[in-house]
Amino acid sequence: DSGVTQTPKHLITATGQRVTLRCSPRSGDLSVYWYQQSLDQGLQFLIQYYNGEERAKGNILERFSAQQFPDLHSELNLSSLELGDSALYFCASSAQGSAYEQYFGPGTRLTVT
Amino acid sequence: EDQVTQSPEALRLQEGESSSLNCSYTVSGLRGLFWYRQDPGKGPEFLFTLYSAGEEKEKERLKATLTKKESFLHITAPKPEDSATYLCAVGYYGNNRLAFGKGNQVVVIP
Repeated sequence: DSGVTQTPKHLITATGQRVTLRCSPRSGDLSVYWYQQSLDQGLQFLIQYYNGEERAKGNILERFSAQQFPDLHSELNLSSLELGDSALYFCASSAQGSAYEQYFGPGTRLTVT
Repeated sequence: EDQVTQSPEALRLQEGESSSLNCSYTVSGLRGLFWYRQDPGKGPEFLFTLYSAGEEKEKERLKATLTKKESFLHITAPKPEDSATYLCAVGYYGNNRLAFGKGNQVVVIP
């Protein structure tokens, strides 16, 4: 158990809908990262937050957005969903000074039908 | 363009049959190379960090090594519980993101 929690575990929704994925980092970690994993693309970095502020952006679509709250939990919002958004979404966290040693949550499996 | 390539994509081993996985990278300003293990339907589990060429790290039957252009993950006398996908990632200066390879899927047959 990495100490990173994600909810929900599974999500099934229709095209055009909007969903919110939630992540709680390990106790004491200020950084949260979001990744998307699909069979053809592998694990792709989406976005990073550090203590409530956006720090880095990867291949995140404009239909996707994220935020980190004062209690350090983070939410990833996916809107106008398309079939191609079906994937595993992982959240990871890291300790201050160890940005690259990231600990991953169990993931949310999103299925868009 | 920065790139991380892992080979072979898939590997079937008999229990006890040692082998090596390769991760080659073309990254400017490498900050570290990282190995993760991922079981089906689960999040990646951190294994090792390597920072400089010549560095080696060990954990049970796994040993990771690093050169200037590639890293190897050696699996010695594997057991069925070593079956997993092993992911290699690089971090580089000026950017906190990890760039992952597509993984080496390892199956160890009893």
